[in-house]
Amino acid sequence: KNQVEQSPQSLIILEGKNCTLQCNYTVSPFSNLRWYKQDTGRGPVSLTIMTFSENTKSNGRYTATLDADTKQSSLHITASQLSDSASYICVVSAKYKLSFGAGTTVTVRA
Amino acid sequence: GAVVSQHPSWVICKSGTSVKIECRSLDFQATTMFWYRQFPKQSLMLMATSNEGSKATYEQGVEKDKFLINHASLTLSTLTVTSAHPEDSSFYICSARRQGARGYTFGSGTRLTVV
Repeated sequence: KNQVEQSPQSLIILEGKNCTLQCNYTVSPFSNLRWYKQDTGRGPVSLTIMTFSENTKSNGRYTATLDADTKQSSLHITASQLSDSASYICVVSAKYKLSFGAGTTVTVRA
Repeated sequence: GAVVSQHPSWVICKSGTSVKIECRSLDFQATTMFWYRQFPKQSLMLMATSNEGSKATYEQGVEKDKFLINHASLTLSTLTVTSAHPEDSSFYICSARRQGARGYTFGSGTRLTVV
């Protein structure tokens, strides 16, 4: 069973709208949690990284939250743009081992 | 900073031939690099951890004689898929971590198609 579960598997939103992606994990011990954006046919690009003590972190229109007690994280995309269409991957680190979620595919339509 | 270059970005080869994929850290030294494989609509699967100057550590189920990894310098790791078969067709991605940094930088990936 995957230790990092992401939901939804995919979503379609209209340009300009907001959306929130979820990540639940059971990885232990927890070191940090990262969100990556992966365009089709490209490698993942880091959006945010949060440690145990960080509850929220922003990178432009992307805002990630972390609740280490419930082992949940979310990625909020504000005012979506067509270029936001991609797969968003949640990655949880336990020391030097990374556990990857399957990703959420976001499609932004004009 | 922290740029990882992966080459080639795509390659088509015939069954039975070997293919080499390069992963370079352009602006930092990477004592450890990682090789992943990704099938469509699936998450990245770690294949092996490549350590500079020593043998790679392979994940369970990954054939080390088929997927040869060489990490001869602090900025270069290579993955060679030997005697490729159509089932080896996949997206291969490398990553590296700058010493002292929290984040991992990924290469742009290599799409391998074996015909």
